[in-house]
Parts: sequence; structure tokens; C-alpha cells
Amino acid sequence: QSLLTQPPSVSGAPGQRVTISCTGSSSNIGAGYEVHWYQQLPGRAPKLLIYGNNNRPSGVPDRFSGSKSGTSASLAIAGLQAEDESDYYCQSYDSSLSGSVFGGGTKLTVL
Amino acid sequence: QVTLRESGPALVKPTQTLTLTCTFSGFSLSTSGMCVSWIRQPPGKALEWLARTDWDDDTYYNTSLKTRLTISKDTSKNQVVLTMTNMDPVDTATYYCTRHYSGSSPYFASWGQGTLVTVSS
Repeated sequence: QSLLTQPPSVSGAPGQRVTISCTGSSSNIGAGYEVHWYQQLPGRAPKLLIYGNNNRPSGVPDRFSGSKSGTSASLAIAGLQAEDESDYYCQSYDSSLSGSVFGGGTKLTVL
Repeated sequence: QVTLRESGPALVKPTQTLTLTCTFSGFSLSTSGMCVSWIRQPPGKALEWLARTDWDDDTYYNTSLKTRLTISKDTSKNQVVLTMTNMDPVDTATYYCTRHYSGSSPYFASWGQGTLVTVSS
């Protein structure tokens, strides 16, 4: 059972906007620890998508954005493209575990 | 350019000890703020952070696995070694090493390709 809860799956049509939620608690997101997001294509290592709640590494399209409020965070993908079909993971730090924690992952299907 | 490569056995038997090596280039683990973590992912399941070693010799472990894990570094060889004792089939996973910086909530920007470890008799 992950300390960060994500919906198992989301879907959207090309061009649409989808959001993926990540719900934590007072020992991680709610404690003020930053949230980061990763994209993982099948058979590949995860790729950093968003860091520090809402920052994009160089090369990540601005269609991807992150936000955080209270004990939750969200990843938004605008102008959905077929190539966005992938697994997405949120990650933060948990003070009770004194270590990094990941969400259970969300599979995005582009219809 | 930062690169990391995991190496180790593809198959281990239950109760055996797993030893994985992360060989990296493009950075030094003696640089202030530099860290290397191990993360694993069972087939079809989520990512799980395992352990971390820092430039200043500090180490951190996933509390649920702490008694079975040891992480160490050889700065001169640019290597980080993870050992996990008493392996079980549930430990079957792809194991990744990652480079990151210290901070209140570190993120993993650089990953190795991962190495699949199967635990089976």
C-alpha cells in the first residue's frame, strides 16, 4: 500500500486535458515536502517529468504541468497526444519513513 | 553526461544474498550534495525507494527493508554497491540506481537502465 495514492487509470481523447491526482498525508505532501512526477514507458526507466511541484526539466513540453495543495498534488496534461500513453508516478518525501515515497502509479490511455 | 549502469546476477535463489553494483560516470560522489539511491520495481507494480548513500558517507534505508539492506560506495571506482540479504520471490524486480542531490525532498533526474533480478529456486 503506497503512502501516496493515485488513481490506477485515467483516459482521454487526443487534444483533451487530463489530470492525475496524488493524495498524501501530513507526513509527506501535507508537511510541505515537494512533489515530483515521472513518466515511464513500457520497458524503460522512469523519466523525470515535473520536479519541485511545478517545474519542468529542459526538454519536457509545456503541455505538462504540476500543482500542489494541502495534502494533494496533481499532474495535468493538456493537448493529449498518442505518445503520452504511459504510466505516471508521483513521488515525495515522508518524514515518518525518513525516505522517499512513490505513488502506486497511474496508467494513462489515449483513446 | 551522467550515466549509471546496474550490474549483478539475473537469478538468485531464495534465502541467498543479492549484491548489485552501480557504476557511474559524469559526476563524483565526493562532490558536496551528491547522492545515489537504489529504487526497485516488481513486474507490473509501483516503484519503491530502497536506500541512499551521500557524499558525506551518510546512508539512509527504507524502514521496512532496513534489516536486510546495506549500501556502500567506492568513490575512487565510481561505484555504489547494494546488498540485500535473505532474498524471497517477492523481491523479484527491476532494480535501478539513480543520481540525485540532497535536499528536503530529493528527486531522481538520472536513472540507470535497470537490471531485472528474479528470485527463484
